[in-house]
Amino acid sequence: GIQVEQSPPDLILQEGANSTLRCNFSDSVNNLQWFHQNPWGQLINLFYIPSGTKQNGRLSATTVATERYSLLYISSSQTTDSGVYFCAVESNFGNEKLTFGTGTRLTIIP
Amino acid sequence: EAGVVQSPRYKIIEKKQPVAFWCNPISGHNTLYWYRQNLGQGPELLIRYENEEAVDDSQLPKDRFSAERLKGVDSTLKIQPAELGDSAVYLCASSGTFEQFFGPGTRLTVL
Repeated sequence: GIQVEQSPPDLILQEGANSTLRCNFSDSVNNLQWFHQNPWGQLINLFYIPSGTKQNGRLSATTVATERYSLLYISSSQTTDSGVYFCAVESNFGNEKLTFGTGTRLTIIP
Repeated sequence: EAGVVQSPRYKIIEKKQPVAFWCNPISGHNTLYWYRQNLGQGPELLIRYENEEAVDDSQLPKDRFSAERLKGVDSTLKIQPAELGDSAVYLCASSGTFEQFFGPGTRLTVL
């Protein structure tokens, strides 16, 4: 099946800093989503982005499908940004299931 | 618009006991998913429904797990009997087109 790798696994930043999270995948995809899992365990949709660039406030994401990677940018980090960020993909040859990466744990220090 | 609803939020049982989880998807979403998330890992799909039909249950341990989605709306996931290794968070998700939306999950602890 498709492989999804996220980096870095852990990231600790001061409040106000910017960060870039990366997601590499091993096959062509027709669905890619970024999620934020907050400390209470809720998975929150950030972006549906199988290709191209999107922005939502301090967050933006870019997927380069031909090179099989996606980036999530967080600017001016706040403590509420802490949690685990997951990239999930659905292969073009798959069966409509999302395969999740292992996540990036982000900790924002006040 | 209400999100995906799950209950209970937490469940503690002894091994060999049965347990059931309930999910109500977002209104109008025909596709429903059950995932299991082990500590420190991403969610993994157990079963996917299109309306009432289970179209992908290849990852569901059928000797002890069962699921149903009557009338193509609510769904129930059951484990009988539970084992220690079943301790995890069980997540329900639904989708209308491509994007999946998740419920808050049920945290199961098997003692």
